[in-house]
Amino acid sequence: QVQLVESGGGVVQPGRSLRLSCAASGFRFNNYGMHWVRQAPGKGLQWLTFTSYDESNKYYSESVKGRFTISRDNSRNTLYLQMNSLRVEDTGVYYCARSSSPRAGLYYWGQGTQVTVSS
Amino acid sequence: QSVLTQPPSVSGAPGQRVTISCSGNTSNIGADNDVHWYQHLPGRAPKLLIFADTNRPSGVPDRFSGSKSGSSASLAITGLQADDEADYYCQSYDTSLSGCVFGGGTKVTVL
Repeated sequence: QVQLVESGGGVVQPGRSLRLSCAASGFRFNNYGMHWVRQAPGKGLQWLTFTSYDESNKYYSESVKGRFTISRDNSRNTLYLQMNSLRVEDTGVYYCARSSSPRAGLYYWGQGTQVTVSS
Repeated sequence: QSVLTQPPSVSGAPGQRVTISCSGNTSNIGADNDVHWYQHLPGRAPKLLIFADTNRPSGVPDRFSGSKSGSSASLAITGLQADDEADYYCQSYDTSLSGCVFGGGTKVTVL
């Protein structure tokens, strides 16, 4: 069955960097686009970024553009989110999710990994 | 402030029907971009309930249905059950922003 497992979260100081990973299994990873979505404490879901199956198309929300970078290693069935210049407001649970395109529904989600940005 | 607007909460008695609205504009829902709906329980992964406006993934009960008209969409839950208590989110693509957008979420309470 389809499984997405995020890792790499933790506590980090403002201004520092962190890289999240999302290990995929149970499907042909290199056939699907992937998203990162987060939920800040007490807030709703916020879409962050999408990459197409071959990284030829990438999209970012204004809130993370220029600071976060999405990438993938299809040989390792793994999605990444490189987060630089972290801010307190980046605190939240980060989810990876699979979809066929940026306009399609996010069909499968991981359980999430907690990122806390605090001094 | 979310691009898509949802009511913060709705409630209903067991067995009743509730609807959740999702209002967008001509750059997202009104641009004929598909609307998708998710159910999210605390501590769990969000679950896709409705995709492409009206379609249910396999395994989602037909008590859940979606509709769309103009720049707005709705999710209806009929025969409300206790385990329907959750947060519900609409989502679409915004052509002007070149990215996905979510509604602010609606908490469903079963009285």
